[in-house]
Amino acid sequence: EDKVVQSPLSLVVHEGDTVTLNCSYEVTNFRSLLWYKQEKKAPTFLFMLTSSGIEKKSGRLSSILDKKELFSILNITATQTGDSAVYLCAVEGVNRNDYKLSFGAGTTVTVRA
Amino acid sequence: EAGVAQSPRYKIIEKRQSVAFWCNPISGHATLYWYQQILGQGPKLLIQFQNNGVVDDSQLPKDRFSAERLKGVDSTLKIQPAKLEDSAVYLCASSLAGTSDGNTFGSGTRLTVV
Repeated sequence: EDKVVQSPLSLVVHEGDTVTLNCSYEVTNFRSLLWYKQEKKAPTFLFMLTSSGIEKKSGRLSSILDKKELFSILNITATQTGDSAVYLCAVEGVNRNDYKLSFGAGTTVTVRA
Repeated sequence: EAGVAQSPRYKIIEKRQSVAFWCNPISGHATLYWYQQILGQGPKLLIQFQNNGVVDDSQLPKDRFSAERLKGVDSTLKIQPAKLEDSAVYLCASSLAGTSDGNTFGSGTRLTVV
């Protein structure tokens, strides 16, 4: 069974701090790793990573994948209160032509003013 | 582009009652997913449709949960009878061709079973 473990479970930081979120995984026939931000109910897509060592950036967020060690990190620099959310890591595995997404439990980030 | 629509937004029922959720995916999206997200956990896939056929329902508790996607567009998820542990947010997502990079999630239905 595919497995996705995120750490830490939660953290509290002050505005301007940098946070690093971790995601380790075990999956059959890895295709991609995805990061989502979940503020209320609907997760919104942040990044999709398929290749090791290539950093993806979007504003103050960045992410990188290590397919040898089976983990990814998500960095948020200069945090703002609007970054407060649950950050979900998901891994996509392929079985024949079917793609299946397995989620971690998420990291709850609270940014205090 | 309109997003994934779900209804109702909230539902409170007593245990042993029945409940149904509705999802309208993004137009043209062939793949539709139902996820269950219990408080403090990540979403768990219940069922995946490709058009109107089931691709994966291995984690659907079939003794009480059922889902259908008539005509390969809208989908309904039903629970009958509900248990306390079914309290969760039920998320619907859709994508073009079964790959996850194009997944778009709906706002979900929050179910409380009392």
